[in-house]
Amino acid sequence: GQQVMQIPQYQHVQEGEDFTTYCNSSTTLSNIQWYKQRPGGHPVFLIQLVKSGEVKKQKRLTFQFGEAKKNSSLHITATQTTDVGTYFCAGPRFNKFYFGSGTKLNVKP
Amino acid sequence: NAGVTQTPKFQVLKTGQSMTLQCAQDMNHEYMSWYRQDPGMGLRLIHYSVGAGITDQGEVPNGYNVSRSTTEDFPLRLLSAAPSQTSVYFCASNGGTGTGELFFGEGSRLTVL
Repeated sequence: GQQVMQIPQYQHVQEGEDFTTYCNSSTTLSNIQWYKQRPGGHPVFLIQLVKSGEVKKQKRLTFQFGEAKKNSSLHITATQTTDVGTYFCAGPRFNKFYFGSGTKLNVKP
Repeated sequence: NAGVTQTPKFQVLKTGQSMTLQCAQDMNHEYMSWYRQDPGMGLRLIHYSVGAGITDQGEVPNGYNVSRSTTEDFPLRLLSAAPSQTSVYFCASNGGTGTGELFFGEGSRLTVL
């Protein structure tokens, strides 16, 4: 069945360092989405990538969708304490959303 | 604008008890879904619905029932709670055909003793 793997599970960084989380799907995706969940909160949509090789930026966040549409990454430049939370990728397929297990980011001030 | 509203926020049950988690959205979304979130497991789809009167199973449907009698409401029923159902439950809706942005409720934390 569909699987979406995400690494690393945890990342601890010093404020100002960069952070990257990676997502891999066992099947080709029509699109991939990224969500952020603050501690104690609910997932909030960040972005959706649709095209092969697509790169999108949101301020310090850079999102990439692989050429084969089976992998994606989220890179944060110069992390801040406000970046703390868990980042999930999600790949929809036939009306079902398959989420990665998430990467929990901790930023030390 | 309320978005997706879940009740209750917290619930403690004894093994074998039944309960219903409520989910309502005011965005006229056709697609609604339920997830459970367990440590290290991400979000796993329980059931989903693409419109009133239509429901289908997700990855982990056993022990849960759903119905969709209106566009707005999508309740999740636990008929006989088990400790393995201790989790945080999220309801989410989507205005498209099941591929666009998901809007999540604030979650319901359930403990089964």
